[in-house]
Amino acid sequence: GESVGLHLPTLSVQEGDNSIINCAYSNSASDYFIWYKQESGKGPQFIIDIRSNMDKRQGQRVTVLLNKTVKHLSLQIAATQPGDSAVYFCAGKTGNQFYFGTGTSLTVIP
Amino acid sequence: EAGVAQSPRYKIIEKRQSVAFWCNPISGHATLYWYQQILGQGPKLLIQFQNNGVVDDSQLPKDRFSAERLKGVDSTLKIQPAKLEDSAVYLCASSLGSPNQPQHFGDGTRLSIL
Repeated sequence: GESVGLHLPTLSVQEGDNSIINCAYSNSASDYFIWYKQESGKGPQFIIDIRSNMDKRQGQRVTVLLNKTVKHLSLQIAATQPGDSAVYFCAGKTGNQFYFGTGTSLTVIP
Repeated sequence: EAGVAQSPRYKIIEKRQSVAFWCNPISGHATLYWYQQILGQGPKLLIQFQNNGVVDDSQLPKDRFSAERLKGVDSTLKIQPAKLEDSAVYLCASSLGSPNQPQHFGDGTRLSIL
């Protein structure tokens, strides 16, 4: 079946350092990917997306890289801040449906 | 722009009882999704609507779950009867409806089954 998975369930980084969260997907037909941030008691919040015809996209302090050859994408957060502490999900779309990974919990150490 | 609104925020019921959740999507969003998120897991799609029609309900346990979006705007999700394994957060999301558009989520309803 379809699967999207994150490599590490937890990640701790020092404030000010860069964070990298990795995600792998199984279906080469997936054509659109989204990274979400979820804080405790809240719904997932859109961070950045990327279409399969791109390999890199940048936002404010965030960059998503897509490697279709190995079916891998990553989220890079520059100068990580305490407010970045949350669970991060990647989601891939195949057809009309989105498949979510299990999430990586990012802890920022002051 | 107002976000996706969901109610109630919390619900506690006993097993075999029924429960209903309500969602009001972002204005103008044609596509509406209901997800189930079990603690420690990513959201799992239950049902997807395009306007008032069902696009995908392949993962909806239809013997106990039902959902409707009668006028193509608000939606309700019902569970009857509830089981212990239904304890989860039920998230509603909406998107514009054109291909490759991000979903915007509400804060969900946390359901606890006793």
